[in-house]
Amino acid sequence: GAVVSQHPSRVICKSGTSVKIECRSLDFQATTMFWYRQFPKQSLMLMATSNEGSKATYEQGVEKDKFLINHASLTLSTLTVTSAHPEDSSFYICSATRVADSPLHFGNGTRLTVT
Amino acid sequence: AQSVSQHNHHVILSEAASLELGCNYSYGGTVNLFWYVQYPGQHLQLLLKYFSGDPLVKGIKGFEAEFIKSKFSFNLRKPSVQWSDTAEYFCAVNRNSGNTPLVFGKGTRLSVIA
Repeated sequence: GAVVSQHPSRVICKSGTSVKIECRSLDFQATTMFWYRQFPKQSLMLMATSNEGSKATYEQGVEKDKFLINHASLTLSTLTVTSAHPEDSSFYICSATRVADSPLHFGNGTRLTVT
Repeated sequence: AQSVSQHNHHVILSEAASLELGCNYSYGGTVNLFWYVQYPGQHLQLLLKYFSGDPLVKGIKGFEAEFIKSKFSFNLRKPSVQWSDTAEYFCAVNRNSGNTPLVFGKGTRLSVIA
């Protein structure tokens, strides 16, 4: 079946540094990927929609200059958390969808801890 | 905008008890409906999905859900739970048109005790 790989699975960084998270679709081409954030004991909140070859669409309240998304190929989207702060500590999850399918495939998530 | 409500925040059941988790959504158009499970320390896994057809959907691990359009509901059921069903359960919905993101409910934590 389809597999979405997310890397790294865990990252600890110091406040003020930037962290890049990769999301890859391993056996299908994903024209659209979605980035979610999950705070402890809460649901997944959509952050942005990443479209191959075009700018990402951000949800209300998500700073696009802080959460940089690049979808340069049909199998890779990256989320860069710039100038990370402790309040950015969260679980980040990507979801990739085939063309015309619903987004059924999730990565394993990346737990970001900013100290 | 779509929204998903899961009314039970935390459910505690004994093994072999029957389970029903409520899920209601708000959206006037055609939707796809999903239930996901997240075991402690693991990623989301799809339990079952409804796109069209028979409103009673059977998923993995003995779970099923029934889509009742008139009630905008998609409740998850299992006749007899096991300790290994202890997890967080999320209901999700997206519009049935193109590549649209999932909107998730807040989740229901299920604790099954022996």
